[in-house]
Amino acid sequence: AQSVTQPDIHITVSEGASLELRCNYSYGATPYLFWYVQSPGQGLQLLLKYFSGDTLVQGIKGFEAEFKRSQSSFNLRKPSVHWSDAAEYFCAVGGNNNDMRFGAGTRLTVKP
Amino acid sequence: DAGVIQSPRHEVTEMGQEVTLRCKPISGHNSLFWYRQTMMRGLELLIYFNNNVPIDDSGMPEDRFSAKMPNASFSTLKIQPSEPRDSAVYFCASAREEGTYEQYFGPGTRLTVT
Repeated sequence: AQSVTQPDIHITVSEGASLELRCNYSYGATPYLFWYVQSPGQGLQLLLKYFSGDTLVQGIKGFEAEFKRSQSSFNLRKPSVHWSDAAEYFCAVGGNNNDMRFGAGTRLTVKP
Repeated sequence: DAGVIQSPRHEVTEMGQEVTLRCKPISGHNSLFWYRQTMMRGLELLIYFNNNVPIDDSGMPEDRFSAKMPNASFSTLKIQPSEPRDSAVYFCASAREEGTYEQYFGPGTRLTVT
């Protein structure tokens, strides 16, 4: 069965600094990988997704993620964090059966 | 596109009462998912439907929980009787059966059982 691990429960970065959120997955076949963001009191919003092709995918709000099959990772990056990026970030893995599993989430705090 | 619609947004009820949460998926989406989010357990998949048929309900915590999807545009999640430990935010999401499989989430229903 597929599973997702987000090793960092909470990360704090300064505004303007770079960001990398880690995600490791377990899946028997080629996975579909997603990153979602959840602002306080809101639902989850899709940031980006990977299905095939170029392993570096671009998303909304200046985020990108890189799929590394050899490391079973799909880390999320942003070169310069804005205060409005403070939120909870979820990595998810799915397959062709519409059954998606989410990681526990990483809470991002942005210092001024 | 109105997105996934959930109602109510907030629900406060007393232990033992029946609670019904409602969801309207995005038009044209074939799959519908119910999730529960708590601080302790994170985001848990409770059940999902494909073409109105329940496919996997292994995440439903116990018999007090039931979900239905009588048609393609409406689903309910019912808790009867409710207990304080059911307090959580319940999300509904929908997706197309084919294609990208990305799920679109509703705003959630915050349930408080006292």
